[in-house]
Amino acid sequence: GAVVSQHPSWVICKSGTSVKIECRSLDFQATTMFWYRQFPKQSLMLMATSNEGSKATYEQGVEKDKFLINHASLTLSTLTVTSAHPEDSSFYICSARVPLVPTYEQYFGPGTRLTVT
Amino acid sequence: GIQVEQSPPDLILQEGANSTLRCNFSDSVNNLQWFHQNPWGQLINLFYIPSGTKQNGRLSATTVATERYSLLYISSSQTTDSGVYFCAGQATDSWGKLQFGAGTQVVVTP
Repeated sequence: GAVVSQHPSWVICKSGTSVKIECRSLDFQATTMFWYRQFPKQSLMLMATSNEGSKATYEQGVEKDKFLINHASLTLSTLTVTSAHPEDSSFYICSARVPLVPTYEQYFGPGTRLTVT
Repeated sequence: GIQVEQSPPDLILQEGANSTLRCNFSDSVNNLQWFHQNPWGQLINLFYIPSGTKQNGRLSATTVATERYSLLYISSSQTTDSGVYFCAGQATDSWGKLQFGAGTQVVVTP
């Protein structure tokens, strides 16, 4: 199957600082990637859709100025949490869609656990 | 957007038992996937199954698209099957966005 990596696996940062999370598709090109957030014991919540070469599309209620997404190449999307606060602590997961028409199966990265102190 | 309901929310099995997990959708989907989230948080693709039946080892899945539901069967369960199982569907006009169900927490005891 397709492989998606994320870096870092976990990160601890101080309140007010920014954190960048990378998502890479290792063995395929992904024009579309997705960023999710998951709180403990809860399901995945879609934050935004990242399209290569264009602006990301954010879900309702997600602050685009706080969660900056850049999809600069066909294999890399980044999520930057700006001016992080303790309530931003969560498990962030990216996925990439394999571009095989008519299927659009998504594969997920291993996630990044963010703790803001 | 579509609503995705999973049942049961929790399942405790003895090793060797069989079980069925269900996923209902409020509207038609053109992409339906089942995942297993392991204790480290990694989502593992189990099935891409917008319709029909597929089998992979001790796991199998069936989707009845016309009735908007999907079933995941676990046979001869093992302790390594423990974790959370999610189904997720993509509505026809959602630009590839997956809507996840709340998940089924499965615990397999020795």
